[in-house]
Amino acid sequence: NAGVTQTPKFRILKIGQSMTLQCAQDMNHNYMYWYRQDPGMGLKLIYYSVGAGITDKGEVPNGYNVSRSTTEDFPLRLELAAPSQTSVYFCASSFLAGGNEQFFGPGTRLTVL
Amino acid sequence: AQSVAQPEDQVNVAEGNPLTVKCTYSVSGNPYLFWYVQYPNRGLQFLLKYITGDNLVKGSYGFEAEFNKSQTSFHLKKPSALVSDSALYFCALYNTDKLIFGTGTRLQVFP
Repeated sequence: NAGVTQTPKFRILKIGQSMTLQCAQDMNHNYMYWYRQDPGMGLKLIYYSVGAGITDKGEVPNGYNVSRSTTEDFPLRLELAAPSQTSVYFCASSFLAGGNEQFFGPGTRLTVL
Repeated sequence: AQSVAQPEDQVNVAEGNPLTVKCTYSVSGNPYLFWYVQYPNRGLQFLLKYITGDNLVKGSYGFEAEFNKSQTSFHLKKPSALVSDSALYFCALYNTDKLIFGTGTRLQVFP
Protein backbone atom coordinates (compact mmCIF):
# COMPACT_ATOMS: atom_id res chain seq x y z
CA ASN A 1 0.00 0.00 0.00
CA ALA A 2 1.20 3.48 -0.86
CA GLY A 3 -0.91 4.94 1.98
CA VAL A 4 -1.76 8.61 1.51
CA THR A 5 -0.08 10.33 -1.41
CA GLN A 6 -0.01 14.05 -2.19
CA THR A 7 1.08 15.96 -5.26
CA PRO A 8 2.85 18.23 -5.86
CA LYS A 9 5.48 18.32 -3.10
CA PHE A 10 6.27 21.98 -3.66
CA ARG A 11 4.61 24.80 -5.57
CA ILE A 12 5.05 28.53 -5.95
CA LEU A 13 1.99 30.50 -7.05
CA LYS A 14 1.50 34.12 -7.95
CA ILE A 15 -1.24 36.10 -6.26
CA GLY A 16 -4.56 35.45 -8.00
CA GLN A 17 -3.56 32.14 -9.56
CA SER A 18 -5.47 28.93 -8.91
CA MET A 19 -4.36 25.38 -8.38
CA THR A 20 -5.49 21.97 -7.18
CA LEU A 21 -3.65 19.96 -4.56
CA GLN A 22 -4.11 16.28 -5.15
CA CYS A 23 -4.62 13.67 -2.45
CA ALA A 24 -5.22 9.96 -2.85
CA GLN A 25 -5.37 7.00 -0.48
CA ASP A 26 -5.42 3.29 -1.26
CA MET A 27 -6.57 2.02 2.14
CA ASN A 28 -10.32 2.19 1.38
CA HIS A 29 -10.77 4.77 4.11
CA ASN A 30 -14.09 6.54 4.37
CA TYR A 31 -12.86 9.68 6.09
CA MET A 32 -10.48 12.17 4.50
CA TYR A 33 -9.18 15.50 5.75
CA TRP A 34 -7.26 18.57 4.59
CA TYR A 35 -5.15 20.52 7.07
CA ARG A 36 -2.83 23.46 6.83
CA GLN A 37 0.18 23.95 9.07
CA ASP A 38 1.64 27.41 9.45
CA PRO A 39 5.13 27.92 10.94
CA GLY A 40 5.11 27.45 14.70
CA MET A 41 1.43 26.58 14.69
CA GLY A 42 -0.56 23.43 15.01
CA LEU A 43 -2.77 21.95 12.33
CA LYS A 44 -5.95 23.69 11.28
CA LEU A 45 -8.69 21.71 9.55
CA ILE A 46 -9.76 23.15 6.21
CA TYR A 47 -12.31 20.62 4.93
CA TYR A 48 -13.17 17.02 5.57
CA SER A 49 -15.23 14.26 4.02
CA VAL A 50 -16.99 11.28 5.63
CA GLY A 51 -17.49 9.47 2.32
CA ALA A 52 -17.79 9.90 -1.42
CA GLY A 53 -20.10 12.78 -2.27
CA ILE A 54 -20.07 14.22 1.27
CA THR A 55 -17.90 17.12 2.35
CA ASP A 56 -18.00 19.61 5.19
CA LYS A 57 -16.18 22.73 6.30
CA GLY A 58 -13.54 22.71 8.98
CA GLU A 59 -12.07 25.55 10.95
CA VAL A 60 -10.54 27.58 8.07
CA PRO A 61 -12.44 26.87 4.79
CA ASN A 62 -12.39 30.35 3.23
CA GLY A 63 -10.52 30.48 -0.06
CA TYR A 64 -10.67 26.72 -0.61
CA ASN A 65 -12.98 24.18 -2.19
CA VAL A 66 -13.08 20.39 -2.19
CA SER A 67 -14.86 17.56 -3.91
CA ARG A 68 -15.05 13.84 -3.20
CA SER A 69 -16.29 11.94 -6.23
CA THR A 70 -14.51 8.69 -5.29
CA THR A 71 -13.47 7.02 -2.06
CA GLU A 72 -9.80 7.28 -3.06
CA ASP A 73 -9.41 10.93 -4.07
CA PHE A 74 -9.95 14.19 -2.21
CA PRO A 75 -8.55 17.19 -4.15
CA LEU A 76 -8.28 20.64 -2.60
CA ARG A 77 -8.83 23.62 -4.86
CA LEU A 78 -7.35 27.05 -4.20
CA GLU A 79 -9.07 29.84 -6.08
CA LEU A 80 -7.44 33.27 -6.35
CA ALA A 81 -4.37 32.47 -4.27
CA ALA A 82 -3.36 34.97 -1.58
CA PRO A 83 -0.14 35.30 0.47
CA SER A 84 -2.12 34.22 3.55
CA GLN A 85 -2.44 30.79 1.93
CA THR A 86 1.30 30.23 2.09
CA SER A 87 1.52 27.12 4.23
CA VAL A 88 2.19 23.41 4.30
CA TYR A 89 -0.88 21.38 3.41
CA PHE A 90 -1.47 17.89 4.71
CA CYS A 91 -4.05 15.38 3.61
CA ALA A 92 -5.08 12.59 5.97
CA SER A 93 -7.46 9.65 6.01
CA SER A 94 -9.00 7.26 8.50
CA PHE A 95 -11.21 4.21 8.22
CA LEU A 96 -13.78 5.63 10.57
CA ALA A 97 -13.77 8.55 12.98
CA GLY A 98 -13.89 8.11 16.73
CA GLY A 99 -11.09 5.96 18.00
CA ASN A 100 -9.40 5.42 14.66
CA GLU A 101 -6.10 7.10 13.98
CA GLN A 102 -5.56 9.29 10.95
CA PHE A 103 -2.88 8.51 8.38
CA PHE A 104 -1.11 11.53 6.95
CA GLY A 105 0.42 12.23 3.58
CA PRO A 106 3.89 13.81 3.20
CA GLY A 107 2.53 17.32 2.63
CA THR A 108 2.59 20.01 -0.06
CA ARG A 109 4.61 23.15 0.63
CA LEU A 110 2.87 26.09 -1.06
CA THR A 111 4.24 29.60 -1.37
CA VAL A 112 2.13 32.45 -2.74
CA LEU A 113 4.08 35.49 -3.90
CA ALA B 1 -15.94 24.10 24.17
CA GLN B 2 -13.75 21.09 23.54
CA SER B 3 -10.07 21.88 23.39
CA VAL B 4 -6.59 20.54 23.91
CA ALA B 5 -3.56 22.43 25.19
CA GLN B 6 0.16 21.80 25.13
CA PRO B 7 1.63 24.25 27.63
CA GLU B 8 5.28 23.89 26.55
CA ASP B 9 6.56 25.07 23.19
CA GLN B 10 9.82 23.18 23.69
CA VAL B 11 11.16 20.49 25.97
CA ASN B 12 14.89 19.84 26.27
CA VAL B 13 16.24 16.62 27.72
CA ALA B 14 19.56 14.81 27.77
CA GLU B 15 19.86 11.48 26.03
CA GLY B 16 19.17 8.63 28.43
CA ASN B 17 17.01 10.73 30.73
CA PRO B 18 13.25 10.28 31.03
CA LEU B 19 11.08 12.68 29.09
CA THR B 20 7.57 14.05 29.53
CA VAL B 21 5.57 16.10 27.04
CA LYS B 22 2.46 17.60 28.59
CA CYS B 23 -1.09 17.74 27.27
CA THR B 24 -4.31 18.83 28.94
CA TYR B 25 -7.81 18.67 27.53
CA SER B 26 -11.29 20.01 28.01
CA VAL B 27 -14.28 17.93 26.90
CA SER B 28 -17.81 17.10 27.86
CA GLY B 29 -18.07 13.37 28.15
CA ASN B 30 -15.36 10.76 27.76
CA PRO B 31 -12.36 11.82 25.70
CA TYR B 32 -10.64 10.03 22.85
CA LEU B 33 -7.04 11.25 22.95
CA PHE B 34 -4.12 10.80 20.57
CA TRP B 35 -0.43 11.57 20.27
CA TYR B 36 1.28 12.15 16.93
CA VAL B 37 4.91 12.85 16.04
CA GLN B 38 6.21 14.92 13.14
CA TYR B 39 9.78 14.61 11.92
CA PRO B 40 11.24 17.43 9.78
CA ASN B 41 9.62 17.76 6.36
CA ARG B 42 7.32 14.80 7.00
CA GLY B 43 3.66 14.23 7.70
CA LEU B 44 2.37 13.34 11.15
CA GLN B 45 2.75 9.79 12.39
CA PHE B 46 0.45 8.16 14.91
CA LEU B 47 2.11 7.19 18.22
CA LEU B 48 -0.69 6.05 20.53
CA LYS B 49 -4.24 6.63 21.63
CA TYR B 50 -6.51 6.42 24.66
CA ILE B 51 -10.10 5.35 24.14
CA THR B 52 -11.02 3.53 27.31
CA GLY B 53 -9.55 1.09 29.78
CA ASP B 54 -6.09 1.14 31.30
CA ASN B 55 -4.89 4.66 32.07
CA LEU B 56 -1.36 3.83 30.91
CA VAL B 57 -1.25 3.44 27.15
CA LYS B 58 1.78 2.03 25.34
CA GLY B 59 2.63 3.06 21.81
CA SER B 60 5.29 3.09 19.13
CA TYR B 61 9.04 3.65 19.62
CA GLY B 62 8.89 2.99 23.38
CA PHE B 63 6.53 5.88 24.11
CA GLU B 64 3.67 5.68 26.58
CA ALA B 65 1.07 8.09 27.84
CA GLU B 66 -0.79 8.41 31.10
CA PHE B 67 -4.44 9.38 31.09
CA ASN B 68 -5.52 11.23 34.23
CA LYS B 69 -9.20 12.04 34.33
CA SER B 70 -9.12 14.10 37.54
CA GLN B 71 -6.35 16.34 36.16
CA THR B 72 -7.72 16.21 32.58
CA SER B 73 -4.26 15.38 31.32
CA PHE B 74 -2.72 12.97 28.85
CA HIS B 75 1.06 13.36 29.18
CA LEU B 76 3.44 11.58 26.82
CA LYS B 77 6.38 9.82 28.44
CA LYS B 78 9.45 7.77 27.64
CA PRO B 79 11.78 6.24 30.24
CA SER B 80 15.00 6.89 28.31
CA ALA B 81 15.21 9.52 25.58
CA LEU B 82 17.11 9.05 22.34
CA VAL B 83 18.57 11.77 20.12
CA SER B 84 16.40 10.34 17.34
CA ASP B 85 13.29 11.22 19.39
CA SER B 86 13.91 14.88 18.60
CA ALA B 87 10.79 15.99 16.71
CA LEU B 88 7.54 17.91 17.00
CA TYR B 89 4.84 16.21 19.08
CA PHE B 90 1.12 16.87 18.85
CA CYS B 91 -1.64 15.93 21.23
CA ALA B 92 -5.13 15.62 19.69
CA LEU B 93 -8.70 15.23 20.91
CA TYR B 94 -11.45 13.56 18.90
CA ASN B 95 -14.55 15.73 18.40
CA THR B 96 -17.42 14.74 16.08
CA ASP B 97 -15.75 13.22 13.01
CA LYS B 98 -12.52 15.18 13.38
CA LEU B 99 -9.46 15.77 15.55
CA ILE B 100 -8.61 18.94 17.43
CA PHE B 101 -4.84 19.33 17.57
CA GLY B 102 -2.73 21.12 20.13
CA THR B 103 -0.15 23.64 19.00
CA GLY B 104 2.67 21.14 19.30
CA THR B 105 5.73 20.73 21.52
CA ARG B 106 9.21 20.56 20.08
CA LEU B 107 11.29 17.91 21.82
CA GLN B 108 15.04 18.36 21.66
CA VAL B 109 17.18 15.52 22.97
CA PHE B 110 20.83 16.43 23.47
CA PRO B 111 23.65 13.86 23.28
